[in-house]
Amino acid sequence: GEDVEQSLFLSVREGDSSVINCTYTDSSSTYLYWYKQEPGAGLQLLTYIFSNMDMKQDQRLTVLLNKKDKHLSLRIADTQTGDSAIYFCAERVAQAGTALIFGKGTTLSVSS
Amino acid sequence: DAGITQSPRHKVTETGTPVTLRCHQTENHRYMYWYRQDPGHGLRLIHYSYGVKDTDKGEVSDGYSVSRSKTEDFLLTLESATSSQTSVYFCAISESGRSGEQYFGPGTRLTVT
Repeated sequence: GEDVEQSLFLSVREGDSSVINCTYTDSSSTYLYWYKQEPGAGLQLLTYIFSNMDMKQDQRLTVLLNKKDKHLSLRIADTQTGDSAIYFCAERVAQAGTALIFGKGTTLSVSS
Repeated sequence: DAGITQSPRHKVTETGTPVTLRCHQTENHRYMYWYRQDPGHGLRLIHYSYGVKDTDKGEVSDGYSVSRSKTEDFLLTLESATSSQTSVYFCAISESGRSGEQYFGPGTRLTVT
């Protein structure tokens, strides 16, 4: 079946790197996404990676994909207090058309 | 931000009343989606649309219906609201390109008393 798992909380100090992890179960995933949600707001697309890639970098964000282990991670370099939010991992499963399957979200707390 | 608006942004209604939420886009994207977000459940797909008058059910469609008579508008209707439908509802849009990324609206907070 389709399932996306994330740890619920992560706490880091300002300036440190944050690594948010995600595992998925469906090997037919085509694209994997990271979204950010700030309090009271909608989801903001941060980045996505195609399943035949193993890494993608975009400024402070690095996405690593281990397809063998079905493990996805998002690394935020030089984490700032403005990065405090909920981060969602999502997968696009071919059989579901364009629907996305979301994890429950990881709450990142950044302290100064 | 993608041109997506949702209305109303907040609504309180009583059990048993009908409620319609509206999603409006200015991006001319083909696909539109309704999700609900609840603590401990993340986002769950209610219904989606792959074109005008073309819709399909998602994971949690019971108690909800949708309509799409124009590309830009996707309506979600709760025929007879129940307390279990208290939630935050998000609309999303997507173009039909390969990467399929979805862009989300600001959400509607619905409380059913």
